[in-house]
Amino acid sequence: KAGVTQTPRYLIKTRGQQVTLSCSPISGHRSVSWYQQTPGQGLQFLFEYFSETQRNKGNFPGRFSGRQFSNSRSEMNVSTLELGDSALYLCASRDQGFAEAFFGQGTRLTVV
Amino acid sequence: AQKVTQAQTEISVVEKEDVTLDCVYETRDTTYYLFWYKQPPSGELVFLIRRNSFDEQNEISGRYSWNFQKSTSSFNFTITASQVVDSAVYFCALSAGSSNTGKLIFGQGTTLQVKP
Repeated sequence: KAGVTQTPRYLIKTRGQQVTLSCSPISGHRSVSWYQQTPGQGLQFLFEYFSETQRNKGNFPGRFSGRQFSNSRSEMNVSTLELGDSALYLCASRDQGFAEAFFGQGTRLTVV
Repeated sequence: AQKVTQAQTEISVVEKEDVTLDCVYETRDTTYYLFWYKQPPSGELVFLIRRNSFDEQNEISGRYSWNFQKSTSSFNFTITASQVVDSAVYFCALSAGSSNTGKLIFGQGTTLQVKP
């Protein structure tokens, strides 16, 4: 099976712009979660989608949003980018329940 | 509150030494799962192990072993005869509560450097 694919791998955006990141989960997995990783805050949960519905949300401002399509692919969007949004964004794919999550290589976002 | 603490920020060992990475967790849920992930420089998190709260059996996989003790809320990870390829950041994570099946709470990570 192919692994979790995230695109793009690297992005440079200007403060105030918006950005969309994409994640294709492992075939058959219906759960997709997103995480932000920064040196200061570590790995933090953004949100989870399961069968096109947001099932859980972390403590992030409304500028961070996401969606999931019928083929389980997911996108996350960050609007009005701030310098502090610079981070590695990781997507995780799971089967169901408390199954282990498999991660993509991430998208490194730099906001200048 | 749910929390994972990895007190060791960085560990440096010489190849072939054994090393133990500590993980302490907090949760009030009786059903929970614990995980260990490895993050090499390439960035992706590599799954190593999952353990549920009802199974306190220790596990061994090759040079890796895990010690789960509910009495001390710890889930420690030992690498025996470490190798340079083991150099990475290691994360312990917790998933707890029926409404949080897709949410992992991570510790701050332990950077392991194995020197030749």
